[in-house]
Amino acid sequence: GESVGLHLPTLSVQEGDNSIINCAYSNSASDYFIWYKQESGKGPQFIIDIRSNMDKRQGQRVTVLLNKTVKHLSLQIAATQPGDSAVYFCAERFGQGNLIFGKGTKLSVKP
Amino acid sequence: DSGVTQTPKHLITATGQRVTLRCSPRSGDLSVYWYQQSLDQGLQFLIQYYNGEERAKGNILERFSAQQFPDLHSELNLSSLELGDSALYFCASSVGGLTGEQYFGPGTRLTVT
Repeated sequence: GESVGLHLPTLSVQEGDNSIINCAYSNSASDYFIWYKQESGKGPQFIIDIRSNMDKRQGQRVTVLLNKTVKHLSLQIAATQPGDSAVYFCAERFGQGNLIFGKGTKLSVKP
Repeated sequence: DSGVTQTPKHLITATGQRVTLRCSPRSGDLSVYWYQQSLDQGLQFLIQYYNGEERAKGNILERFSAQQFPDLHSELNLSSLELGDSALYFCASSVGGLTGEQYFGPGTRLTVT
């Protein structure tokens, strides 16, 4: 597959463990945040989003936590599976502006 | 499958040349976004169109231009290509003009030699 980055932070976890991927965003006025997953050779895929008036949102096996005090976003993946191996991007939006993507974190799941 | 299609999948061309990348959004989506992703960069927003009109511009070079046609498909034109333009180019679409959930296409891999 195609590499999306040569110097990405990498998180390696054992299959079945929980994963936590962190993201520091840049604009304290950002009001909307999204996590995307990008598998090798594919386009980014929406995972979960959260608005700034919330601090936690849960999806299927995923939870996003937002800490506005320190401008920090995290994605928790429960019972990580080999199919979760991918690069994960956080993105932020301020008002009517466009999404600004972070550099990404590579998640590697060991069987 | 996101429903967004992009052609071609791969493109190899020489410096100084001009290429056109094509994107068809999901059925019903009015907004189209173009992104560039190079090996040492994350996703860089280039430009957005909404219902045929330019809505927002990001880090798009003057050598690059785009348009959205009445049938809502979009084209990204890259001219006077340089080696540094080699990258993955993604198109995304969304229903409205705000950048909520965007659906990404599979991308076009451009290699400039």
